[in-house]
Amino acid sequence: GEDVEQSLFLSVREGDSSVINCTYTDSSSTYLYWYKQEPGAGLQLLTYIFSNMDMKQDQRLTVLLNKKDKHLSLRIADTQTGDSAIYFCAESLEGNTPLVFGKGTRLSVIA
Amino acid sequence: KAGVTQTPRYLIKTRGQQVTLSCSPISGHRSVSWYQQTPGQGLQFLFEYFSETQRNKGNFPGRFSGRQFSNSRSEMNVSTLELGDSALYLCASSAGLGNYEQYFGPGTRLTVT
Repeated sequence: GEDVEQSLFLSVREGDSSVINCTYTDSSSTYLYWYKQEPGAGLQLLTYIFSNMDMKQDQRLTVLLNKKDKHLSLRIADTQTGDSAIYFCAESLEGNTPLVFGKGTRLSVIA
Repeated sequence: KAGVTQTPRYLIKTRGQQVTLSCSPISGHRSVSWYQQTPGQGLQFLFEYFSETQRNKGNFPGRFSGRQFSNSRSEMNVSTLELGDSALYLCASSAGLGNYEQYFGPGTRLTVT
């Protein structure tokens, strides 16, 4: 079955890099996503990666996928106070099935 | 291009009542999915509609239902509300089947007293 796990909290200093980790159990997952949720808001799609890729970079965001260990990470370079939010990892089979979310990692950025 | 809109943003209902939430997807998007977010259970999938047909359904009781109109707008209905139905209800739209980019609305915060 599908299950996605994330650590609940991460605290970093402004200007440092943040690394948010996620593990998933379904080896059939073909799409893996990172969403950001700010207080009182919906989910913002940050980036996604196909399971046939190892890495994807998009400006300050770098996604790394280790298929063997079923491990996904999101690195935010030069973390800013505006990056403080909850980050959700999600998986989907074949891209047109429901998203299965982790519980979210609350990132706190200290000025 | 306007994003996903959901109405109302906030709602307070009493146990036993029913409620209808509305979602308008991004223009041109034909798929709408609904998710429930609670502190305890996190984000859970409710159902997905494409071209007015329910394609997928999550593990929720029959009190939760939905529909999609010909203009792709979607509504979800919860009957006989329970305290545990208090949650943020999120709607997501995507262009269509097999499209992996789902965009979420701001949600409707439902409080059941």
